[in-house]
Amino acid sequence: QVQLQESGPGLVKPSQTLSLTCTVSGGSISSGGYYWSWIRQHPGKGLEWIGYIYYSGSTYYNPSLKSRVTISVDTSKNQFSLKLSSVTAADTAVYYCARDPLTGTTSRGWFDPWGQGTLVTVSS
Amino acid sequence: AIRMTQSPSSFSASTGDRVTITCRASQGISSYLAWYQQKPGKAPKLLIYAASTLQSGVPSRFSGSGSGTDFTLTISCLQSEDFATYYCQQYYSYPRTFGQGTKLEIK
Repeated sequence: QVQLQESGPGLVKPSQTLSLTCTVSGGSISSGGYYWSWIRQHPGKGLEWIGYIYYSGSTYYNPSLKSRVTISVDTSKNQFSLKLSSVTAADTAVYYCARDPLTGTTSRGWFDPWGQGTLVTVSS
Repeated sequence: AIRMTQSPSSFSASTGDRVTITCRASQGISSYLAWYQQKPGKAPKLLIYAASTLQSGVPSRFSGSGSGTDFTLTISCLQSEDFATYYCQQYYSYPRTFGQGTKLEIK
């Protein structure tokens, strides 16, 4: 059973870069068959999809964040990572990683499973 | 981006009740819709995809329907563990977008 676990600093200063890693266990990112996504949830609010990466390194980002987001993959460690630059208080959120199944190379669209989430607070 | 609007935003019900949550898309999304359940401090859990297909392991009291722009999630007989927040999500196009959530509380 695949499990995802987010890790990274819980506090980031304004204007700096938020960096998180998602470690996948119980399955190999390199096997293909899935996109690997980041999703965030502002405190007490709804969910916002950030972007995905395929094991090959191809990515797609939410246009609302595209200028500040980089998602990368390290297949040797079975991990993928999120970098969000120039953060402000508006980037304070719980960040989740999640798996998106594919049919061929086409996303099936839903997310399952999710990591437990990690709260990142942007504050000086 | 496609906007997803859920109604109501919150409501109260009792165990044993039949409840329905509505999700409306700002444009047609065929049946490319998923529903999630989220409990406090936990990650969302996939309940339904393709508007009406129950994810493996999800109790049969959950059901989904709809296509185009209007969708519903129905819980046929509320159990205590069903009190949570529910989200719809469209995957017709990018960026993937979610509804604002419906919080189901105990009456």
